[in-house]
Amino acid sequence: SQQGEEDPQALSIQEGENATMNCSYKTSINNLQWYRQNSGRGLVHLILIRSNEREKHSGRLRVTLDTSKKSSSLLITASRAADTASYFCATCNAGNMLTFGGGTRLMVKP
Amino acid sequence: EAQVTQNPRYLITVTGKKLTVTCSQNMNHEYMSWYRQDPGLGLRQIYYSMNVEVTDKGDVPEGYKVSRKEKRNFPLILESPSPNQTSLYFCASSPGGGLRPLHFGNGTRLTVT
Repeated sequence: SQQGEEDPQALSIQEGENATMNCSYKTSINNLQWYRQNSGRGLVHLILIRSNEREKHSGRLRVTLDTSKKSSSLLITASRAADTASYFCATCNAGNMLTFGGGTRLMVKP
Repeated sequence: EAQVTQNPRYLITVTGKKLTVTCSQNMNHEYMSWYRQDPGLGLRQIYYSMNVEVTDKGDVPEGYKVSRKEKRNFPLILESPSPNQTSLYFCASSPGGGLRPLHFGNGTRLTVT
């Protein structure tokens, strides 16, 4: 069952622009994680944000979490062509299981 | 190098012919899991294991078996594959279930004709 739902499903931007992806979920969580997947390859972990945290940064990545709205966003600043990939949010519930959303396909045009 | 290794990378088989996809991790992780990825459906969990000899069903376990006899290995077994099991499969591991980041293998693309 999908807990997180990403929005938009697809996003196309120019190199240098910022990319914002959103994730909404339904039930309470322990943490929310963002992953990146290059075409057909394994997912790579980007950031984990705990339910008591509101914002985390990692390089050009910024993740926010609003537990009152049950939503999170991933911002990639100054995007590069190499950022082209699919991005997934995953929510960790009370049973410590991760449930993945359907993903956002990001294309960054050079 | 810390990694999750899946084999084979690609597999084409026929309906009913038993197959096993292997998964091995070298990070001493307790938790291991299998997912399948299908267009428009995201990643769905098939089975997971919290530790040796402990396995549980995920969201889509029908038609699959797993075993966890050793901490490092978590093979996925399809006793009688069917065309609806054509998919991209991923193995993942972590030191603490969903409380910690998952490490993924590179995937196995299975085609059942």
